[in-house]
Amino acid sequence: DAKTTQPNSMESNEEEPVHLPCNHSTISGTDYIHWYRQLPSQGPEYVIHGLTSNVNNRMASLAIAEDRKSSTLILHRATLRDAAVYYCIGGEDASGTYKYIFGTGTRLKVLA
Amino acid sequence: DADVTQTPRNRITKTGKRIMLECSQTKGHDRMYWYRQDPGLGLRLIYYSFDVKDINKGEISDGYSVSRQAQAKFSLSLESAIPNQTALYFCATSDPEVYGYTFGSGTRLTVV
Repeated sequence: DAKTTQPNSMESNEEEPVHLPCNHSTISGTDYIHWYRQLPSQGPEYVIHGLTSNVNNRMASLAIAEDRKSSTLILHRATLRDAAVYYCIGGEDASGTYKYIFGTGTRLKVLA
Repeated sequence: DADVTQTPRNRITKTGKRIMLECSQTKGHDRMYWYRQDPGLGLRLIYYSFDVKDINKGEISDGYSVSRQAQAKFSLSLESAIPNQTALYFCATSDPEVYGYTFGSGTRLTVV
């Protein structure tokens, strides 16, 4: 299983960058690393994913370590709306298919 | 309309009752999932289905059953509800060509 380890909680000031770490030392070579976030009273929403290279999209950046045993989700300027639980997921491949195993995530608190 | 709709949004039921949670999606995706979320435990996979004729157990399928009535519909049943099935239930859908899930807004189930 591609288990992930994340800090339970983090705090950030508004308008400042946030670096959310994730360890996934058991990830296989073909497993993508996915990040989701869950805003209060909502279902999780997709943030970003990557395999080996760093990735950027309109929501965030994903920095993947060269050995792929860890990654960091970067929110360049945290806003109050970014307060959520962030999940790092190493996809588990089973019989050529793909399904997620969620951990407990990191609860991000953004301070005004 | 939401891409993934779950009904009901909230439900209180008594121990021993049979209850069905419904999920429908308009994304046209083949893959659908049911997750359960308990405080402090993140999301855990109950069942998943990669097409209408495919049903698979997840991490915690005991006490649950599912039915995939059509590509767009995937329902979760609790045959005889018990209090420790009190939780927030999420349905999700995905496309194997696109690494991302779309989640519904959840059903909050309370078993008394």
